[in-house]
Amino acid sequence: AQTVTQSQPEMSVQEAETVTLSCTYDTSESDYYLFWYKQPPSRQMILVIRQEAYKQQNATENRFSVNFQKAAKSFSLKISDSQLGDAAMYFCAYRSAGDDKIIFGKGTRLHILP
Amino acid sequence: AAGVIQSPRHLIKEKRETATLKCYPIPRHDTVYWYQQGPGQDPQFLISFYEKMQSDKGSIPDRFSAQQFSDYHSELNMSSLELGDSALYFCASSTRLGKNTGELFFGEGSRLTVL
Repeated sequence: AQTVTQSQPEMSVQEAETVTLSCTYDTSESDYYLFWYKQPPSRQMILVIRQEAYKQQNATENRFSVNFQKAAKSFSLKISDSQLGDAAMYFCAYRSAGDDKIIFGKGTRLHILP
Repeated sequence: AAGVIQSPRHLIKEKRETATLKCYPIPRHDTVYWYQQGPGQDPQFLISFYEKMQSDKGSIPDRFSAQQFSDYHSELNMSSLELGDSALYFCASSTRLGKNTGELFFGEGSRLTVL
């Protein structure tokens, strides 16, 4: 069975600084997708960034980028120039190609310090 | 832009009662997903539908059932409610292509409290 592990329950970062959230996963599949979702206090889940396993190039979306290490099964999220609005719970997630279900990690709560 | 609409937003039920949650996907989205998120927990996949047929099934209790209707809206029916069913229930929708790219759009959730 696939699993997603986020080892940092909470993190804090100063506004305008950079922070990296860690995620590891376990799978025997070769074709899959990885995601980072953000859940602010409003509770709505918002897709931050996604990575296809067959792509070697790390995905980037504005201030958000990932470090995808397929062999190590690691998928960390880097947030640059942190802003107060980035404060939220961040979930790392996995989905096998062909499956509907997304498997979420336990989440990392990110605090932004003004 | 239209988003995924869930109703009701909040629901309070007694043990052993029945509850029905509704989800209206974004127009032209043909796939609907249901997730359950307990307090302080990560979301758990329950079930999904594509073109009104069950597409995938996760950890959905036998007491729960769901379906997708001809207008693509979906309903999650929960019977014999237990205290442990208290959770935030998310519905998400996507196109079939969007599923592959992770473009799931989540609703704001329906919070069920079982007393």
